[in-house]
Amino acid sequence: AQSVAQPEDQVNVAEGNPLTVKCTYSVSGNPYLFWYVQYPNRGLQFLLKYITGDNLVKGSYGFEAEFNKSQTSFHLKKPSALVSDSALYFCAVRDFYGGATNKLIFGTGTLLAVQP
Amino acid sequence: DGGITQSPKYLFRKEGQNVTLSCEQNLNHDAMYWYRQDPGQGLRLIYYSQIVNDFQKGDIAEGYSVSREKKESFPLTVTSAQKNPTAFYLCASSPPGASSYEQYFGPGTRLTVT
Repeated sequence: AQSVAQPEDQVNVAEGNPLTVKCTYSVSGNPYLFWYVQYPNRGLQFLLKYITGDNLVKGSYGFEAEFNKSQTSFHLKKPSALVSDSALYFCAVRDFYGGATNKLIFGTGTLLAVQP
Repeated sequence: DGGITQSPKYLFRKEGQNVTLSCEQNLNHDAMYWYRQDPGQGLRLIYYSQIVNDFQKGDIAEGYSVSREKKESFPLTVTSAQKNPTAFYLCASSPPGASSYEQYFGPGTRLTVT
């Protein structure tokens, strides 16, 4: 079965410092990986995706993610955190089973708290 | 939140009543999805539809029903059979074909049942 894991419920970082939000995956075949962000009482916003190509993927709001096949990881990173980055972050993987769908399997989310 | 609208934003119901949550999209997407979000559990798939007049159960379909009579609309009914209906409900859609796999989400409806 395909799955993603976000091992940290919460990540705390000071404004201006680099941030990393971790995600590991388990899939059979090539993974299609995604990061989303959710602000309080809002829907999810797409940040970036890895389908194929360069292992370093750049996305919205200065975020990037590094695909590491040997470590089965897809960590979200940003060189300099902003207080406004504080939100809930979800990693997701495409579910290949069940036919030709775009079903996604989501992790449990990581709350990012950036202190001023 | 793109071209997906969910209404209402907050919904309150008494236990034992059915309630229908609205989801409309103007993105011309074929596939639509309903998720339930509870604290600490991420998103869980309730139902999804790949085309009009067709839909499939997700991981937690019991106590829910859907319809897909129009491409733009995918309403979710939370029935009285759903044991713990209080949650944040998210609707999403995705475009057809193999060129794009991400989903686009609506703003959500927070349902409280007392």
